[in-house]
Amino acid sequence: RKEVEQDPGPFNVPEGATVAFNCTYSNSASQSFFWYRQDCRKEPKLLMSVYSSGNEDGRFTAQLNRASQYISLLIRDSKLSDSATYLCVVIRLSGGSYIPTFGRGTSLIVHP
Amino acid sequence: DAGVIQSPRHEVTEMGQEVTLRCKPISGHNSLFWYRQTMMRGLELLIYFNNNVPIDDSGMPEDRFSAKMPNASFSTLKIQPSEPRDSAVYFCASSLVQGAGGYSNQPQHFGDGTRLSIL
Repeated sequence: RKEVEQDPGPFNVPEGATVAFNCTYSNSASQSFFWYRQDCRKEPKLLMSVYSSGNEDGRFTAQLNRASQYISLLIRDSKLSDSATYLCVVIRLSGGSYIPTFGRGTSLIVHP
Repeated sequence: DAGVIQSPRHEVTEMGQEVTLRCKPISGHNSLFWYRQTMMRGLELLIYFNNNVPIDDSGMPEDRFSAKMPNASFSTLKIQPSEPRDSAVYFCASSLVQGAGGYSNQPQHFGDGTRLSIL
């Protein structure tokens, strides 16, 4: 099983739709979680951190489920500009060091 | 504030040549990461420095790859000799990792990347 897994998609949704992505991780020692957005031929950019209590930033909501070992990202009222690849990153502590592992990303296409 | 700065933005060279990629992390960050991204393998961590010391280089593909961080504001990734399969986008990222005993909840910030093509 891969350490971090994401459905590659693409998720093809109309403007205004609500869409959700999940990211599963295999190492129960994972400690920090983030969602990044990556546009074509650009660098990954931080979208939001993921906390156990869940967190919301405008139309975006991130959740962490430690029992089932996954994080989620919910996008409400999708915009055309939300079209991108969404990467999750899981950071685990190993030998005193913090080791990040990125998922392969989920592609989102928002159409008119 | 200046972000992570990478150079060159693009590099095209023939196989067998030495390639050097450069990175300046965000001032004040104490951790630096080198990644390689391809369609086939996604974003792979190559090596990770903390306070200029290599912590985890298990992702470095083979001996042809080497990385250094001589000071807190500069790092290089070298490939010698380069091969066509090294063609990829190489990203450098930096973050501030909390001290020992705590855990880091600080995200990484990425540079624009170097698009490397080995012919």
